[in-house]
Amino acid sequence: RKEVEQDPGPFNVPEGATVAFNCTYSNSASQSFFWYRQDCRKEPKLLMSVYSSGNEDGRFTAQLNRASQYISLLIRDSKLSDSATYLCVVRSNAGKSTFGDGTTLTVKP
Amino acid sequence: DVKVTQSSRYLVKRTGEKVFLECVQDMDHENMFWYRQDPGLGLRLIYFSYDVKMKEKGDIPEGYSVSREKKERFSLILESASTNQTSMYLCASRRTGPPGANVLTFGAGSRLTVL
Repeated sequence: RKEVEQDPGPFNVPEGATVAFNCTYSNSASQSFFWYRQDCRKEPKLLMSVYSSGNEDGRFTAQLNRASQYISLLIRDSKLSDSATYLCVVRSNAGKSTFGDGTTLTVKP
Repeated sequence: DVKVTQSSRYLVKRTGEKVFLECVQDMDHENMFWYRQDPGLGLRLIYFSYDVKMKEKGDIPEGYSVSREKKERFSLILESASTNQTSMYLCASRRTGPPGANVLTFGAGSRLTVL
């Protein structure tokens, strides 16, 4: 079993749709959690950190459930520019960051 | 803005050649990382370094070595390149304390093809 597992996707949604991505992790000692975004042929960039209480940044909402070892990302009112691959990242207490394989989102007009 | 610079965007090498991939960051980050990214396999950690002269094996260190003689520079070395090392190589750095602790900043990547 992989340390970090994501929905395989791809997700194809119309503009304005709400879409949710899920991620599970196996190391219960994991300390920090993130969502990164990677555009085609570009490097990953931080989208948002994920906090225990949940956090929101505009149209994006991230949730963490430590008991279930589960992270989610919700995108409301999808835009064409949201098309990308979304990577779930988990940092262990030893400092190692492990990436999920990513979920590809395509937002269509 | 933190900048992570990888010396080569595209390289083509022959089997058995020695390959150096250089990475430099300009924000005094303590930690540096080398990942490779392959379709269907995601990003996999090759080596990382907590600080100067320190190195730790990641998940797939076989066939690679690293060097960190200066804080800003982290080099990945393929002693004898093989075709299965054809990949996109991504360098990243990270600060251990605030602001921005634990956030990885990536370079633009080096796409290596081994023939």
